[in-house]
This record gives sequence, C-alpha cells and structure tokens, in this order.
Amino acid sequence: AQTVTQSQPEMSVQEAETVTLSCTYDTSENNYYLFWYKQPPSRQMILVIRQEAYKQQNATENRFSVNFQKAAKSFSLKISDSQLGDTAMYFCAFMKHYGGSQGNLIFGKGTKLSVKP
Amino acid sequence: KAGVTQTPRYLIKTRGQQVTLSCSPISGHRSVSWYQQTPGQGLQFLFEYFSETQRNKGNFPGRFSGRQFSNSRSEMNVSTLELGDSALYLCASSLTSGGVIFNEQYFGPGTRLTVT
Repeated sequence: AQTVTQSQPEMSVQEAETVTLSCTYDTSENNYYLFWYKQPPSRQMILVIRQEAYKQQNATENRFSVNFQKAAKSFSLKISDSQLGDTAMYFCAFMKHYGGSQGNLIFGKGTKLSVKP
Repeated sequence: KAGVTQTPRYLIKTRGQQVTLSCSPISGHRSVSWYQQTPGQGLQFLFEYFSETQRNKGNFPGRFSGRQFSNSRSEMNVSTLELGDSALYLCASSLTSGGVIFNEQYFGPGTRLTVT
C-alpha cells in the first residue's frame, strides 16, 4: 500500500520570503503521479502543481516549484516570494497510474502554512 | 465553465439517521470521486464512479454507498449515522476522453456533515 508522509504539521514564513514544504512517500509502483493541493481556510481544495514520475524535470508553476527525487521518494514544494494568499493547508498526494486510467488520490496529513506580513 | 458543486453545504443529522449528499461535476467530466476529511484521519478516499459504474472503493464500511447517474451527477449515502461520520465530504471530478480518465482532480467546496 502507498503512504504519504508530511513531517511538518505547521510552518510559517514572512511575506516575500521562500519556504519549502516536505513530503515523502512509499510505493513499489513505477508509474505514478504526485500532486500538491492547497486548501485555504474555509475554501475549496485547488491543485497547485503536478509531477509525473516518469519525468525527471521538476515541475514549475509560477512561484511554485517542486524538487522531485524519485530514488529517495521525496517530493518537496518550494514557494517563492510568499504572499498572504498562500496561507492554507497544503496536502501532498500520490496517485497510482495503471492501464489507461488513474487511481485515487492518497493524501498526506497536510502542512498548515501561515504567511505573516 | 462552472466548477464542481455540492449540495447541501452544511447538514446536521442525528445518530441512526441516514443522509444523501449530491455532487455535480464540471461539464464534460465523467469521473467522480468522493473523499472524507476529518481532523483525525485526514483525507480518505471513499469511492470513484465513471460512466455510472463504481470503479474503485476505499476502506469504508458498507454503510457508505454511492451511485452515479447518466448525466454524471453523483450521490453518496450514509446509513445509520454514527458520531464518527462527522466530517467534510469532498467530491472531485476528472476529465475523461476516449475512456481515459485524466489524473487532475477538481474539487468541490464540500458538504460539512455534523452528526449529533
């Protein structure tokens, strides 16, 4: 069975600074996807960034980038130039890929990020 | 394009009752997944439907069931409610094309269920 571990329950960062959220996972699968989702307070979950396991290049979306280390089963999220609107719970998630379709998301427990002015 | 909608947004039920939650996916999305979110257990997968068929099921008791209609709308039902069923129930939809379900899931705002 796959597991996802986020070892930092809470983090804080000053506005405009950079912060890195950690995520490790355990799987025997070779084909899978990794995601970071953001859940702002009392608002719905949105996808921040996605990484396909077969791609060596780290995914980037504007101020968000990942450091994907497949051998180490590590998938960290870096947020540059942090903004107040980045305050949220961040969930790391794993999805197995099989055949022509995908499996369900397996989530970590989340990291609560607070961006301070 | 409208996002994933869930109704009702809030619900209070008594132990032993049953409840039905509804989810309307994004137009064109035929895959719908359900997740339960609690402070203790975090986010856990309940089940997934595609073309009115349950494709995948999480580790939940039989009191939790679901279905999908021909218009891709989905409902989940919880019978004989227990206090531990209090949670935020999230629905997510995925785009499909040619029978392939793409991996990106779009979440609705959730239904907050409180069991007293």
